[in-house]
Amino acid sequence: DQQVKQNSPSLSVQEGRISILNCDYTNSMFDYFLWYKKYPAEGPTFLISISSIKDKNEDGRFTVFLNKSAKHLSLHIVPSQPGDSAVYFCAAISGGGADGLTFGKGTHLIIQP
Amino acid sequence: DAEITQSPRHKITETGRQVTLACHQTWNHNNMFWYRQDLGHGLRLIHYSYGVQDTNKGEVSDGYSVSRSNTEDLPLTLESAASSQTSVYFCASSGRLDYEQYFGPGTRLTVT
Repeated sequence: DQQVKQNSPSLSVQEGRISILNCDYTNSMFDYFLWYKKYPAEGPTFLISISSIKDKNEDGRFTVFLNKSAKHLSLHIVPSQPGDSAVYFCAAISGGGADGLTFGKGTHLIIQP
Repeated sequence: DAEITQSPRHKITETGRQVTLACHQTWNHNNMFWYRQDLGHGLRLIHYSYGVQDTNKGEVSDGYSVSRSNTEDLPLTLESAASSQTSVYFCASSGRLDYEQYFGPGTRLTVT
């Protein structure tokens, strides 16, 4: 049973517009959520995170929103740039931070000029 | 600069062979992890370690083993490689109280 779900395998957005990537989770024990960005032939790189006690975290062009009642989080990228084209993974963790991450399957974001 | 490295970057091996993938980090992190990435599955946790002499099984640990003899290294061993273990393997590390994990560049393993 998949505990972290990214239901959109791909997303195409025009340069300069807003990109919204969605993620749903089923495990109520998750207390921290992260977004990772991955380019081909490279390891994932940490992008932004949010604690379950917050509903929003912002870092430059990237904002993550958390709706605990709906078990849903989203990543907003504004404005979208060509370098944002990558696979984005939503991940969740519980148990104090020392355990492994539970990842979604990823969403391939394509920024069109 | 601190980093996490993996070797080899590419490996082709035959079914039944023992294979060891290396992971080395200079962050001085206590926690280290191994994941595999497959199409349609995202990244899945294989094994992890909280510190020297500590190892724990993850979601997909069957057929894999790890050992932690020092802080910097967590080698992953496939005791008898199977075609189902063809995948891209990522090592990661994190500090004692950190949620963020830092990933290596990956090892692409092909089992023929």
